[in-house]
Amino acid sequence: AQSVAQPEDQVNVAEGNPLTVKCTYSVSGNPYLFWYVQYPNRGLQFLLKYITGDNLVKGSYGFEAEFNKSQTSFHLKKPSALVSDSALYFCAGASCAGNNRKLIWGLGTSLAVNP
Amino acid sequence: GAVVSQHPSRVICKSGTSVKIECRSLDFQATTMFWYRQFPKQSLMLMATSNEGSKATYEQGVEKDKFLINHASLTLSTLTVTSAHPEDSSFYICSATSARGSLSSYNEQFFGPGTRLTVL
Repeated sequence: AQSVAQPEDQVNVAEGNPLTVKCTYSVSGNPYLFWYVQYPNRGLQFLLKYITGDNLVKGSYGFEAEFNKSQTSFHLKKPSALVSDSALYFCAGASCAGNNRKLIWGLGTSLAVNP
Repeated sequence: GAVVSQHPSRVICKSGTSVKIECRSLDFQATTMFWYRQFPKQSLMLMATSNEGSKATYEQGVEKDKFLINHASLTLSTLTVTSAHPEDSSFYICSATSARGSLSSYNEQFFGPGTRLTVL
């Protein structure tokens, strides 16, 4: 079965420090991978995606993610965290062979950036 | 571009009433829309997938007679929670994707802001 895993329920980091939110995937064929962010009582906002090409993907708000095929990972990173980055982060994936346009979702990671 | 709206943003109703939530793609044609449910501090639970002009496909365990989905046009899908009960209280989120034009890429979904339903 295909799956996306976010092994950490919560990540705490001090403002100004680098942050990493982890994601691993199990998707048949070549994966499409996404990161979304959700602020309280809001819908999800797109951060970035990997489709093909460069393994390092740059997205919104200074975030980036590295696609690692050998480790089947797509960790989200930011060099210097801001308090305003505190939110719920979701990793999602799909198989390029799929045609139903559904995404497979991770359970989410709550990021808390402390001042 | 790729804006999705939801209405209402918040609704409080009495047990037994039906509630309709609208999801609109404002600047693109949404060939597929998804309806999710989210409990506090939990992940998204996909309820159903609706393609314009056809019946929605419900995920296992989701009652299709309870959660009526209509996707009558390329810009509008509605979710009706029939005879709502307190256990239906949740945050409902729609998303849209398109198989047409510049947005037809790689399953990317565009999300509405969500609707908070509280059933008393």
